[in-house]
Amino acid sequence: AQSVAQPEDQVNVAEGNPLTVKCTYSVSGNPYLFWYVQYPNRGLQFLLKYITGDNLVKGSYGFEAEFNKSQTSFHLKKPSALVSDSALYFCAVRDIPGNTPLVFGKGTRLSVIA
Amino acid sequence: DAGVIQSPRHEVTEMGQEVTLRCKPISGHDYLFWYRQTMMRGLELLIYFNNNVPIDDSGMPEDRFSAKMPNASFSTLKIQPSEPRDSAVYFCASSLLGGDAGELFFGEGSRLTVL
Repeated sequence: AQSVAQPEDQVNVAEGNPLTVKCTYSVSGNPYLFWYVQYPNRGLQFLLKYITGDNLVKGSYGFEAEFNKSQTSFHLKKPSALVSDSALYFCAVRDIPGNTPLVFGKGTRLSVIA
Repeated sequence: DAGVIQSPRHEVTEMGQEVTLRCKPISGHDYLFWYRQTMMRGLELLIYFNNNVPIDDSGMPEDRFSAKMPNASFSTLKIQPSEPRDSAVYFCASSLLGGDAGELFFGEGSRLTVL
């Protein structure tokens, strides 16, 4: 069975500093990995995904994530945080092969302080 | 495309009343998902459909919950009778699971408050 862990409920970072939101996963085969962001009173929005190829994936709003197979991690990063990045971030995984739904983590609330 | 459209955006009702939430998926998507989000339990998958057929409803909390997808462009989630513990935000999402890694597209959600 596939699963995702986001070990931090809350991450606080000062504006302009780099940010990291952690995610680890467990699958039986190879993973498809995703990050989604949720702003207040909105639905989840797709940020980026890893399917295959380069381990460093670049996505929307300057975010990137690094796939690390040996550590089964897919941490979300941004070199310089903005106050507008404050939101709830979800990591999700889907096992390959198989038409199974995405499994989401519990979410990490990012707070960027001016 | 307008994206996934959900209605109503907000619903306040009294315990015991029937609630119907509606969803229009993105045209051409063959999978539709209903999720529930609460502070306590996070994001929970309730049920999903493939080509209008329910595939897995194991996440539906109890018999008071039912979901239908009569055609490719419309789905409903019904709660009858509603209870205060059903208060949550309900999201609909659609995807082409067989293509593009099954990326989900979410609606804006329906916030349900049961008094």
